[in-house]
Amino acid sequence: DAGVIQSPRHEVTEMGQEVTLRCKPISGHDYLFWYRQTMMRGLELLIYFNNNVPIDDSGMPEDRFSAKMPNASFSTLKIQPSEPRDSAVYFCASSLLADLNTDTQYFGPGTRLTVL
Amino acid sequence: SQQGEEDPQALSIQEGENATMNCSYKTSINNLQWYRQNSGRGLVHLILIRSNEREKHSGRLRVTLDTSKKSSSLLITASRAADTASYFCATVHTDKLIFGTGTRLQVFP
Repeated sequence: DAGVIQSPRHEVTEMGQEVTLRCKPISGHDYLFWYRQTMMRGLELLIYFNNNVPIDDSGMPEDRFSAKMPNASFSTLKIQPSEPRDSAVYFCASSLLADLNTDTQYFGPGTRLTVL
Repeated sequence: SQQGEEDPQALSIQEGENATMNCSYKTSINNLQWYRQNSGRGLVHLILIRSNEREKHSGRLRVTLDTSKKSSSLLITASRAADTASYFCATVHTDKLIFGTGTRLQVFP
């Protein structure tokens, strides 16, 4: 398996523009997670899905952020409009089981977003 | 916040030396996990230790857990340049995996 795939790997955009990040989880994994990593705040969970359904989006910072999972093999994280403070590395991760206490999360390589 | 704190924030050693990283957390846990992140990459799961375990080994990794002190340590023995990375502990809190602040390990050849 190719692991979790994210695209693009790097994105540079101007403030006010719409940004869409994409993720393909590992086949057969029922859970998908979106994280944001910054120097100031570390790694933060934004939202996660179970069987394509959003379970907890309490980490989504603002209404400018939205995430969808139209099918088991694809998810998007959209920021509209983007702001400079959204600059970060965004990771997608997937896991097989429901128990976060015991199951391993597999991370994608991340998308480095720069908003000018 | 439940976020774990790693100590030290940064560590530089020579190849062959041992590296020890510590993690402290705030609330009771069932398990604690350690992840590694190479520069420009995603996190990779290293090892999980359960709350009823005190020590666990995996290759050159040794993890200890002291639930009375709410702390864990990760020891990498006979370090290699390829061990250069950031290391994070992670615990579950309110159904979310919460990562610590990380230790940046630099191993010089």
